Amino acid sequence: GAVVSQHPSWVICKSGTSVKIECRSLDFQATTMFWYRQFPKQSLMLMATSNEGSKATYEQGVEKDKFLINHASLTLSTLTVTSAHPEDSSFYICSASSGPPNYGYTFGSGTRLTVV
Amino acid sequence: QKEVEQDPGPLSVPEGAIVSLNCTYSNSAFQYFMWYRQYSRKGPELLMYTYSSGNKEDGRFTAQVDKSSKYISLFIRDSQPSDSATYLCASGGSQGNLIFGKGTKLSVKP
Repeated sequence: GAVVSQHPSWVICKSGTSVKIECRSLDFQATTMFWYRQFPKQSLMLMATSNEGSKATYEQGVEKDKFLINHASLTLSTLTVTSAHPEDSSFYICSASSGPPNYGYTFGSGTRLTVV
Repeated sequence: QKEVEQDPGPLSVPEGAIVSLNCTYSNSAFQYFMWYRQYSRKGPELLMYTYSSGNKEDGRFTAQVDKSSKYISLFIRDSQPSDSATYLCASGGSQGNLIFGKGTKLSVKP
C-alpha cells in the first residue's frame, strides 16, 4: 500500500531557530500534500495544502511566512517552522494524495516539535 | 455549520461490546467516505473507504453510508482493548480536499 515517510519523528529546538520537517511519498506520486497541526487531545487542524510545483494554499489564520512549505517534487514536501517559539510546540502531520477521483489520504507518522 | 460533524466523545465501552461511531456531513456532492484510526502520538491510518451509499465490511469493522440522510457510521464488533484510539471520519467529492471530522476518542476496557 501507499506509504508516506515523515522525518524527523521528534525534534527539540531552541526558541528563535528554524526547523524543517520532511514528508515523502515512498511508492506513489503525490500530486497534493497536506500539512496538519494537532494539539494534545484535539483533532487535526489543516494548515496548508500544497500541489507540486505551485505555491501552497494556507488556511485562514496560518502565517505563511512562519510556516514555509515547499513541494518541489511529486514525492517530497517540506514544512519549515521559522523562528520557532514555544507556542509552536505541537504535533505536525503530513498527508499525501495521489489525486481524485479514487483518492485516499495517506498520513505520515507525525513529528513532535518541542521549542524550548 | 461545519461540513463534517462528529461527536468527540470520549466513548468508553467494555471489551466485547459493539461500538457505533457516527458522523454527519452537509455537502450532498460528497461521494467518498473514509474512516481513519489514530493511536496516541501517531499519524492517522486509513481503516475503511467507501464510495457512495451502502455498507462495507472488513473483519470486525463495518462502514455504512446513508446519502439520503448524510449519515456515516462505523461499527466495531467484539471490540478489543487494542481498538482504543481516536477515530476520524472524512468525506470528499471528486474534486477538492477531504474534510475531516474532529474525531471520537474510544476506550475499550478489558
